[in-house]
Amino acid sequence: AQSVTQLGSHVSVSEGALVLLRCNYSSSVPPYLFWYVQYPNQGLQLLLKYTTGATLVKGINGFEAEFKKSETSFHLTKPSAHMSDAAEYFCAVSEKQGAQKLVFGQGTRLTINP
Amino acid sequence: DAGITQSPRHKVTETGTPVTLRCHQTENHRYMYWYRQDPGHGLRLIHYSYGVKDTDKGEVSDGYSVSRSKTEDFLLTLESATSSQTSVYFCAISGGAYTDTQYFGPGTRLTVL
Repeated sequence: AQSVTQLGSHVSVSEGALVLLRCNYSSSVPPYLFWYVQYPNQGLQLLLKYTTGATLVKGINGFEAEFKKSETSFHLTKPSAHMSDAAEYFCAVSEKQGAQKLVFGQGTRLTINP
Repeated sequence: DAGITQSPRHKVTETGTPVTLRCHQTENHRYMYWYRQDPGHGLRLIHYSYGVKDTDKGEVSDGYSVSRSKTEDFLLTLESATSSQTSVYFCAISGGAYTDTQYFGPGTRLTVL
């Protein structure tokens, strides 16, 4: 069975500081990995994904993540936080494309301090 | 944005009553999903569909049923709502050029009193 653990349910950083949101996964097969963002009272928006190929993936809004198989990690980073980055972030894993059964982490709420 | 709508967007109901939530897509995507979102649990898959009249259970399917009679519509039914089903429900779709990516609807907030 697959699982996802997001370390830290709340992360707070200053505007302009590095953002690092941690995600570790468990999967018995090569995983597909995703980061989604959720703004208040909205649905989830895809930030970036890893399926195959390059392990460093770039997404929208300046975010990127690196797939590290040896560490079973897919941490999300952004060099310089902006106030508009305040939201909840979810890491998710699936085994395949097509009829996916996405398994989500519990989420990390990111707060940006002025 | 993917063309996904959910109705109703908000609903308050009483324990024991039936409730049906609707997800409608205009993308002609093959796959559709229902998730529930609860604090501390992220999103959990309830049911999904891989075609018209083809559905399967997810992680938390007890107390829920689904139907898909047309490509564009995926219905989630709570036959007899309970307070533990108070949640925010999200529909998602995938297919087209990127079958590995799910796109989410705006959500339905359901309160069962």
